Order: sequence, then C-alpha cells, then structure tokens
Amino acid sequence: TQLLEQSPQFLSIQEGENLTVYCNSSSVFSSLQWYRQEPGEGPVLLVTVVTGGEVKKLKRLTFQFGDARKDSSLHITAAQPGDTGLYLCAGEPGNNRKLIWGLGTSLAVNP
Amino acid sequence: EPEVTQTPSHQVTQMGQEVILRCVPISNHLYFYWYRQILGQKVEFLVSFYNNEISEKSEIFDDQFSVERPDGSNFTLKIRSTKLEDSAMYFCASSPLGGIKKLFFGSGTQLSVL
Repeated sequence: TQLLEQSPQFLSIQEGENLTVYCNSSSVFSSLQWYRQEPGEGPVLLVTVVTGGEVKKLKRLTFQFGDARKDSSLHITAAQPGDTGLYLCAGEPGNNRKLIWGLGTSLAVNP
Repeated sequence: EPEVTQTPSHQVTQMGQEVILRCVPISNHLYFYWYRQILGQKVEFLVSFYNNEISEKSEIFDDQFSVERPDGSNFTLKIRSTKLEDSAMYFCASSPLGGIKKLFFGSGTQLSVL
C-alpha cells in the first residue's frame, strides 16, 4: 500500500517567519501535487511537480520534488496570516490510478 | 473562472434515509470524482468516473453508494440507506482529460446523519 506521510502535522508560527513542511513516501510517484484547504472549503491545487529534482515557485512558496520522486517539500518565506490553512500533498502513482493523499499539515500563522 | 459547484451545502438526514448529493463539474472536464473527509481526518477517495462508467472505487464505496451522470452537466452521489458513520464532508472534483491529474474541487456538502 502506498502511503504519503506529512510532517509536521501541526505548525503554529508568527507572521514573517519561514517554514518548511514535508511529504515523504517509500514509493515513487509520477507526479506530486500540493493543495491548500481552508475550513469548510474543498482543497485548492497550488502546484504539480513532475520531474525529479524539480523546483517550482509560487510567490513566497517554493515546492521541490525529490530526485527519486518519492518526497517533496514546501517552503514558505515570510509567512502571512493569509497562508493559514491545511496543506495537503497528493501523489499520482501512475497508470491512471487514484491519487494517494497525505493527512496534511495544519498551518496557523499568527499576526 | 470555471468552478465545480455542489448542492446542497448542508444536508441533514435520518439514519436509513436515502440522500443524493449533486455536483456540476467544470464543463470541459471528463474525469469526475467523489471524496469525503471526516472532520480532522484524511481526504478519502470514494470513486472516479470516466466515459459514463466507474473507473475506480475504494472499499468505502460499497453497495450503498452509487454515482450517476444523468445528463450532460450533473454528477450525483447517492447513498441508499445512510448510517451514522456516513456523516462527513463530501467533495466532488473534476479533472480535464489527459496528462497529469489536476483535480478541481467543489466546496463540499456537509452531510449529517442523525
């Protein structure tokens, strides 16, 4: 069974701090996606990484896919209260099979 | 910007009753999904649907669940006889054809079974 483990599970920081959250697996994925979910809403796709070692930037968010395509990280620079939410990673195993989801990192950025 | 819409936003029902959750996927998308999320827990895959048939389903999606695309725009999830443990937020998602899966989620239906 393929699993994605996210860490930390909870993170509470002050506005302006930097943070990194992780998404790890022992399995290889053909792609990996990061979503943000706010309370009472559905997940919203932030980015998809496909190539091992790939780095993508979305304003203050930097996403990296591990060289072996088994893990990924999300780094947020100078976090703002608007970054508060649940960050979910989801891996695509390939062969058109369903996405594998992590449990998420719940981030709270305090003003 | 096109979005996935779900109705109702909240549904309260008695145990044993049938419920139908409705979704209008993004119009040019061809893959459709139902997920659910119990408060504080993981997003759980229920079923995927393509070309008018189920392409994959999870162990959760037993005989009490069914999906239908009754016309060109709606995608429904029916639970025939609800149980207390069916209480959850149910999300519909759609994805365009081909390439990497990119799921676009609706805002969900909060189902409460009493």
